[in-house]
Amino acid sequence: QVQLVESGGGVVQPGRSLRLSCVGSGFTFSTYAMHWVRQAPGKGLQWVAIISYDGSKKYYADSVKGRFSISRDDSKNSMYLQMNSLEPDDTALYYCARGNLGGFDYWGQGAAVAVSS
Amino acid sequence: QSVLTQPPSASGTPGQNVTISCSGATSNIGRNTVTWYRQLPGTAPELLITSTNLRPSGVPDRYSGPKSGTSASLVISGLQSEDEADYYCAAWDDSLNGYIFGTGTKVTVL
Repeated sequence: QVQLVESGGGVVQPGRSLRLSCVGSGFTFSTYAMHWVRQAPGKGLQWVAIISYDGSKKYYADSVKGRFSISRDDSKNSMYLQMNSLEPDDTALYYCARGNLGGFDYWGQGAAVAVSS
Repeated sequence: QSVLTQPPSASGTPGQNVTISCSGATSNIGRNTVTWYRQLPGTAPELLITSTNLRPSGVPDRYSGPKSGTSASLVISGLQSEDEADYYCAAWDDSLNGYIFGTGTKVTVL
């Protein structure tokens, strides 16, 4: 069955960096676009970034553009989110999701990121 | 427009039908597939249905997701206790080159 597992979350000071990882299993990872979606505590869902199936296209939400970078390593069935210059507003649960059917058909359980001094 | 508009809450008794609206613009709902998600407390969202009527395996056909113009709806037929959750719509936006989510609707089963 399809599984997505995020890791790398934690508590970090404003201005510092963090890298999230997402490992996929149960499907051919290299044939799917992948996304990061986040949810601040008690708030709604916010799309963060997408990487195409072959890594050639990457798009970001305006709120993270220039600070976050999405990448993938299909040999490891993995996707990453490099987060630099973190701000308190980046505090959220970060979900990895598979792109399909015009949206997101499978989700991980999330990695918690807290930005606080 | 960086967000799709949903009512904050909806409710119904078991067996009733409940409809949640999702309002957007030509650049998102008007041109692209709308997808709907259910999020139970403390869990990750799950895809329910698309505006092209595609439904992941295991999702009951009590959910439908029609779209018209720049608006979409999620219809829950025969409301059940397990439907008490938060619901979100989403669509790709051609102007933003990104996905946008709805503001979310909390469904309560009375």
